[in-house]
Amino acid sequence: EVQLVQSGAEVKKPGESLKISCKASGYNFTSYWIAWVRQMPEKGLEWMGIIYPSDSHTRYSPSFQGHVTISADKSTSTAYLQWTSLKASDIGMYYCARPARRGISAWFDYWGQGTLVTVSS
Amino acid sequence: DIVMTQSPDSLAVSLGERTTINCKSSQSLLFRSDNKNYLAWYQQKPGQPPKVLIYWASTRASGAPDRFSGSGSGTDFTLTISGLQAEDVAVYYCHQYFGPPPWAFGQGTRVEIK
Repeated sequence: EVQLVQSGAEVKKPGESLKISCKASGYNFTSYWIAWVRQMPEKGLEWMGIIYPSDSHTRYSPSFQGHVTISADKSTSTAYLQWTSLKASDIGMYYCARPARRGISAWFDYWGQGTLVTVSS
Repeated sequence: DIVMTQSPDSLAVSLGERTTINCKSSQSLLFRSDNKNYLAWYQQKPGQPPKVLIYWASTRASGAPDRFSGSGSGTDFTLTISGLQAEDVAVYYCHQYFGPPPWAFGQGTRVEIK
């Protein structure tokens, strides 16, 4: 059974760093891309970026390029989303999601449960 | 980058009525080499991650009730709920996955019971 299990909720201050995780199981982790999607409170879904764990090739939305880093650890089948300096506007629920096909262009058929990030002074 | 625009932003529908949500893309999502439209629809209920309903614009996902259907091609797409049920109260998103990323979601359409 395919599962994406994300790390727990985080409460941070502006300027702090953060790394959240998405542990995959039930499939060959290196054969599928993994994406990150943000959902700010009471707002819609925003596509942030995507990584191919086999070679760590990464693509970002221009809206998030330079502010977040997506990485993956093949040895633990885990994808990561990290910030070096959080802003108050980074508050939201962050989901990891897996495309349905091994090729990059596909809908998302599996989603993590989400990680809630709160940033407040 | 491709921009997705949904309409309406929200709607209230009586139980059993037909519901239509529209999604317009700033570029064609039809890939001529395979004649497929790279467009999916998701349903998101409060406190849950999104769940795919439709992919390739009109293919119903496994487990999606048959009252959900997708249509359209190129730049204009529609999600139809043939007879609204109470459990269909949710926010619905279209999603383009055409070509290399970045991809994009529509802004969402909230469906409520009248």
